[in-house]
Amino acid sequence: LAKTTQPISMDSYEGQEVNITCSHNNIATNDYITWYQQFPSQGPRFIIQGYKTKVTNEVASLFIPADRKSSTLSLPRVSLSDTAVYYCLVDKGGGNKLTFGTGTQLKVEL
Amino acid sequence: NAGVTQTPKFQVLKTGQSMTLQCAQDMNHEYMSWYRQDPGMGLRLIHYSVGAGITDQGEVPNGYNVSRSTTEDFPLRLLSAAPSQTSVYFCASRAPEIYGYTFGSGTRLTVV
Repeated sequence: LAKTTQPISMDSYEGQEVNITCSHNNIATNDYITWYQQFPSQGPRFIIQGYKTKVTNEVASLFIPADRKSSTLSLPRVSLSDTAVYYCLVDKGGGNKLTFGTGTQLKVEL
Repeated sequence: NAGVTQTPKFQVLKTGQSMTLQCAQDMNHEYMSWYRQDPGMGLRLIHYSVGAGITDQGEVPNGYNVSRSTTEDFPLRLLSAAPSQTSVYFCASRAPEIYGYTFGSGTRLTVV
């Protein structure tokens, strides 16, 4: 399974755009990139998944360059409620063995 | 839909005791998994199932058993609790055609 590397923590202010970058140098051809969000005392919540280029949904955008060795989760205009841990995962799309790293603790302040 | 329901939410066990963590989902998802999360760490896969009657081991299966007799339920059994099993346990489910897993709210287990 491809290993991922992401910053341990990030700080931001309300209304700003936050970009969290994840490195996955050993990503395989059939791997997808998936992001989850976790609030304290809750289970992770699926945010977005992509294979290449750009994916956007109502919550976030995911940017994946052509070499797919990294990806960037973009959260537009964050609010206090976006304070959470964000996990970047690489898995085979329909895979059943998710590998979570330690994630990025995002703290949003007023 | 209730989603993924885990019971109990909190449990304290003595070393050597056994217990079952319950997980139920009402979304008719074929795939179900159990994870544990220790402080400051990501989640680690214990066991998973791709359908009723089919289970397989994950990254940290020792000390745990599972069975999948119905699509809805996926209980996790601790055979003889040890302090090293103190953790937060999460159950998750997914339909094959859906990208992401739906997680339960977790069971916080302390073994003394």
